[in-house]
Amino acid sequence: DAMVIQNPRYQVTQFGKPVTLSCSQTLNHNVMYWYQQKSSQAPKLLFHYYDKDFNNEADTPDNFQSRRPNTSFCFLDIRSPGLGDAAMYLCATSRDRGRGETQYFGPGTRLLVL
Amino acid sequence: AQKVTQAQTEISVVEKEDVTLDCVYETRDTTYYLFWYKQPPSGELVFLIRRNSFDEQNEISGRYSWNFQKSTSSFNFTITASQVVDSAVYFCALSEAPYGNNRLAFGKGNQVVVIP
Repeated sequence: DAMVIQNPRYQVTQFGKPVTLSCSQTLNHNVMYWYQQKSSQAPKLLFHYYDKDFNNEADTPDNFQSRRPNTSFCFLDIRSPGLGDAAMYLCATSRDRGRGETQYFGPGTRLLVL
Repeated sequence: AQKVTQAQTEISVVEKEDVTLDCVYETRDTTYYLFWYKQPPSGELVFLIRRNSFDEQNEISGRYSWNFQKSTSSFNFTITASQVVDSAVYFCALSEAPYGNNRLAFGKGNQVVVIP
């Protein structure tokens, strides 16, 4: 089945130690998104890639970076995680980025910062 | 200003009861899209339905049904004969941006607890 895969499902890191989360998709979608979701809150968009074109949200901290080496893979890099970065990180894809395109989400990676 | 309002934070129902989740949205666009997603305890956001602003027909999918009313800017979701597996957080979301920006405005979510 076509799907969005995130690894690992759980990640523990230390305060200030760089961490990378990965996302892959078999849907062959042009757009890949990264969301941050804190406890009892709605997902918050960090950035998205339209093909190789990177689009950052205005309020995304510089501490968060992303790479998309090919259509299938996208990475979220947190350069110096703080305690406040502990959250669920969700990857999503859509066929295109016009309004109304359905976004399909992966299972998420829960990040714990010690 | 919040674009999508889901007023009921947590709803508890006994198994086999019906539950309705309210979603009220705000937009100036004539073309927009509304979505419902389910987030079970495992964390994955599961797509349930997409509806465009020109299609006001209600929809039924198994035990799920949706009532879209443009006159009241509402897109409500009903689970009939609830089951324990329906326990999850349900998010309503709005997409109204022009081409090139598929940003979703999520509501705060409804936590549904189905008691066996």
